[in-house]
Amino acid sequence: GAVVSQHPSWVICKSGTSVKIECRSLDFQATTMFWYRQFPKQSLMLMATSNEGSKATYEQGVEKDKFLINHASLTLSTLTVTSAHPEDSSFYICSARDFGGPTDTQYFGPGTRLTVL
Amino acid sequence: GENVEQHPSTLSVQEGDSAVIKCTYSDSASNYFPWYKQELGKRPQLIIDIRSNVGEKKDQRIAVTLNKTAKHFSLHITETQPEDSAVYFCAARAETSYDKVIFGPGTSLSVIP
Repeated sequence: GAVVSQHPSWVICKSGTSVKIECRSLDFQATTMFWYRQFPKQSLMLMATSNEGSKATYEQGVEKDKFLINHASLTLSTLTVTSAHPEDSSFYICSARDFGGPTDTQYFGPGTRLTVL
Repeated sequence: GENVEQHPSTLSVQEGDSAVIKCTYSDSASNYFPWYKQELGKRPQLIIDIRSNVGEKKDQRIAVTLNKTAKHFSLHITETQPEDSAVYFCAARAETSYDKVIFGPGTSLSVIP
């Protein structure tokens, strides 16, 4: 099946710094990718939809200036958490749909665990 | 927007028994309903899905039913095994809005040996 990777798998940073997370579709082109955030023992909350070559669409309540999304190519989307604070500590997961594949399954990356000290 | 509810939040069953998780959705435009299994610290894994033109789908010990009129869908796991223990999420997707998938709050399933 299609593979989605994320980098880094975990990151620890100081409060006030910015962190960039990469999401790559390894064997298919993804015009649309999705970014989710998951707090411990909670569900995946959709943060934004990342569209190649255009601005991301953010869900209600998600600060677009804090969570910068760039989808510069058909295989790469990045999420930058700017001026991170401890409350941003979470598990961030991206996903992508292989529109050219035999099914329309959405494939998830392995996630990035962010800890802000 | 879409809102997905899921019950129960926790479920404990004896090994070999069946487990049932129920979900409801709000957006009548939703037409695709996947179910995911997530183990601690790992990515969600698709276990089964169903489309709005189908009422039931089965894959070995797992089955999903859909009542489009009532906006209900359910996951049935038969002959449960300890390795079925995980968090299960239902989800819904409409073909509008860039096909974004909205997740339910999850059910923590424990299968007791």
